[in-house]
Amino acid sequence: KAGVTQTPRYLIKTRGQQVTLSCSPISGHRSVSWYQQTPGQGLQFLFEYFSETQRNKGNFPGRFSGRQFSNSRSEMNVSTLELGDSALYLCASSVGGRTYNEQFFGPGTRLTVL
Amino acid sequence: EDQVTQSPEALRLQEGESSSLNCSYTVSGLRGLFWYRQDPGKGPEFLFTLYSAGEEKEKERLKATLTKKESFLHITAPKPEDSATYLCAVAGGGGADGLTFGKGTHLIIQP
Repeated sequence: KAGVTQTPRYLIKTRGQQVTLSCSPISGHRSVSWYQQTPGQGLQFLFEYFSETQRNKGNFPGRFSGRQFSNSRSEMNVSTLELGDSALYLCASSVGGRTYNEQFFGPGTRLTVL
Repeated sequence: EDQVTQSPEALRLQEGESSSLNCSYTVSGLRGLFWYRQDPGKGPEFLFTLYSAGEEKEKERLKATLTKKESFLHITAPKPEDSATYLCAVAGGGGADGLTFGKGTHLIIQP
């Protein structure tokens, strides 16, 4: 069974640009969550999508947004990039839409903002 | 607000030297506590889910236990391939904020 895939694996952008990251969940999984991981803050929850609807949202500014498609694939977008947005962005999928289901993570997208 | 604190931050053991990692949590209505392993440059790998105090789960050299305030990840006779960062996370009763993660314990097993 294929795992969670994320593309691209690495990105380099400059301040002010925008970026779109993609996530394909495990087949049959309908919930996709996004997390930001930095050395200082660790893993922080961005948002969760289930059946194309955003169910939960973490404490991040509106520059961070996402969406989910009918095939459960998800994208997240960061507009007006700042240096502090440099991080590993992780996508996780689970079977149901509740956070107490096991979440399985992808390899992440490493974003560097210059 | 849910909080998770892991200790120690780093731990260096000799191969075969058993030890325990701690995860203390504060949550309003625990719906699940999760342990993950993360290798450098990779996403977290799921290990265990615990739902209620007294619950225990085992996998190879790892055993996770849960009380009302903390969880332990016991590592028995570790091998160098057990070296990784171990992350603990909770899903709180509100469910509105996704999983709350601790900062992790960086474990090094020396041959």
